[in-house]
Amino acid sequence: GNSVTQMEGPVTLSEEAFLTINCTYTATGYPSLFWYVQYPGEGLQLLLKATKADDKGSNKGFEATYRKETTSFHLEKGSVQVSDSAVYFCALPESNFGNEKLTFGTGTRLTIIP
Amino acid sequence: DAMVIQNPRYQVTQFGKPVTLSCSQTLNHNVMYWYQQKSSQAPKLLFHYYDKDFNNEADTPDNFQSRRPNTSFCFLDIRSPGLGDAAMYLCATNAGSSYNEQFFGPGTRLTVL
Repeated sequence: GNSVTQMEGPVTLSEEAFLTINCTYTATGYPSLFWYVQYPGEGLQLLLKATKADDKGSNKGFEATYRKETTSFHLEKGSVQVSDSAVYFCALPESNFGNEKLTFGTGTRLTIIP
Repeated sequence: DAMVIQNPRYQVTQFGKPVTLSCSQTLNHNVMYWYQQKSSQAPKLLFHYYDKDFNNEADTPDNFQSRRPNTSFCFLDIRSPGLGDAAMYLCATNAGSSYNEQFFGPGTRLTVL
């Protein structure tokens, strides 16, 4: 089945710093790729997604590009805010054959200090 | 408006006392999932329903059961909670395709005394 490897945390940055959280995947074909965010005490929310190679997903100032050459889907933001403090999960479908289950990365806890 | 609703948000039970967590959705999605999430870990899928078809994960203990009486509702029953079952329980839905996102509820935090 498909798998994902996500940068270990925790990550602590100052406000307005540049953020990168690395995510690489192993998959047959070109499955959809997702970034989910989990704020303290809440469920997961979809942050962004890309459904095919070279697509760029973006939302709330975050971006990630589906790169088949490097099998990566790194999450980036140019200027982080305190409100971005959360846990971020990279995810993709467990398999490519109409499978509705997701495989999640281990999660990266991000803390932004003022 | 909330699309995936979980009740209660916080549940306290005693060791060995059965407990039921509930989830409802307004999205009319085919698939509903139950995940267990322990502190600082990724969500772990317990089981899911595709319409009425129940799909249990191989490593889900028998202590965990589920019911889906209709499209909108799904329940998680823990027959004899142990201390190790204290966790956040997340319900999610999906329209039925790997291209689509999963929509998560806010979770129920279960404490076992």
